[in-house]
This record gives sequence, structure tokens and C-alpha cells, in this order.
Amino acid sequence: DAGITQSPRHKVTETGTPVTLRCHQTENHRYMYWYRQDPGHGLRLIHYSYGVKDTDKGEVSDGYSVSRSKTEDFLLTLESATSSQTSVYFCASANQGMANYGYTFGSGTRLTVV
Amino acid sequence: QQQVKQSPQSLIVQKGGISIINCAYENTAFDYFPWYQQFPGKGPALLIAIRPDVSEKKEGRFTISFNKSAKQFSLHIMDSQPGDSATYFCAASISGSGTYKYIFGTGTRLKVLA
Repeated sequence: DAGITQSPRHKVTETGTPVTLRCHQTENHRYMYWYRQDPGHGLRLIHYSYGVKDTDKGEVSDGYSVSRSKTEDFLLTLESATSSQTSVYFCASANQGMANYGYTFGSGTRLTVV
Repeated sequence: QQQVKQSPQSLIVQKGGISIINCAYENTAFDYFPWYQQFPGKGPALLIAIRPDVSEKKEGRFTISFNKSAKQFSLHIMDSQPGDSATYFCAASISGSGTYKYIFGTGTRLKVLA
């Protein structure tokens, strides 16, 4: 997981509150991704970024927004947390030309919405 | 058509045995197929990857077999060891898409008995 840090590692929040998860990479990678991991569903893409201020939706983007103001930082915001958003969230990064040679993943954030 | 179907969901193998995990896809535009290994509490890490121009790739005890006509690929772990106990994800992507998004399978939890 060297080069990507996620914060916080664990969080418990109440239904209806906004939550922001942070991803910071020191690899100078162009591409960044947010996935959620749930039993029986594997890893599903929430949002991704292909450059500073350039983002797009993934397959499960409803209820989430992202921002990327700097190459190294990619923020995921749950606008109004719901119990269905209880999950483990992973950030990943990749570089152009290297992107098809693997993502670098963070260690994950375990989010519980009560 | 964007799905990657992975089986089995879980697998128990004796030490020294062969572990086999299978994946199937529909989208013939996929042209990069990585496998990721994930230990508890950690992010996934790239294990081995293959492109459809080869039918097999081997790295140490890990081998990917690829059947382009059947649109299937599999991971074989030879001489399985307790340290191989982890969750394994297959994935697929389109290298020319410019986004390098991966579609992941649902994961296989492997347990190797000592």
C-alpha cells in the first residue's frame, strides 16, 4: 500500500449526516478511483478521476460525489449517509501507460452508518 | 455485458494442492485481465495479469490460463500454501478506453489448510 493513504481507517456515522473520505497518493499518478467492497459484490466502482478536476461516475455513483483539486488528493463525499452505504471503501491510483499494469490500492476505510 | 463472473465464491484446499478459480466475461472489447490478491485488512494487490494474445502466463506458482473463444480465464495456484489464504479477484479492462477502469469479479475466498 505504499504511496496511497486513506483516512480515516474506520468511521461510524449516523444516518443522514454527510461524510468525507480522503485519499492521498504520493505517486504522481494521473488516474484515481473509489471502489466499495461488499460481500457477494466484490469491488464496485463509485467514481473515478482522469486528471485534476476531471471526474466521472462509476457503476454505483448514486449518493456519492467526488472532488479532485490536486493530483495527489481525491475526496469521496457521502452527501447524506444511509445504512446501505455501510461498506469498506478503497481508493486506487494508476498512471497513464502503467494503468494496465495494475492499480495501487490503499488500505481501505471501513464505514458504518447507524 | 460489462460483468465479470467469478467462481467459486469460496474454496478450501489442502496444503500442496492446486487451487483453481474461474472467471468469465461477455464483452469482447476487454483486452487486459489481471488477478488481485487481498489479505484481511489490506487493499488488493496485483498478483498476475494476462492479455488475450497469449493462452497462458506463469509466475512462480501462479498461472493464468486464458481461453479467448470461450471468453474465460482462470487462476491456478500450484502447491498451495497456508500463506496463500486470501481473497482473490479477477478483473477485466479495455486498454483503449482512456479511463483504465477495471470491472472486478465478486471474489473468491481461498483457505489453504496446513
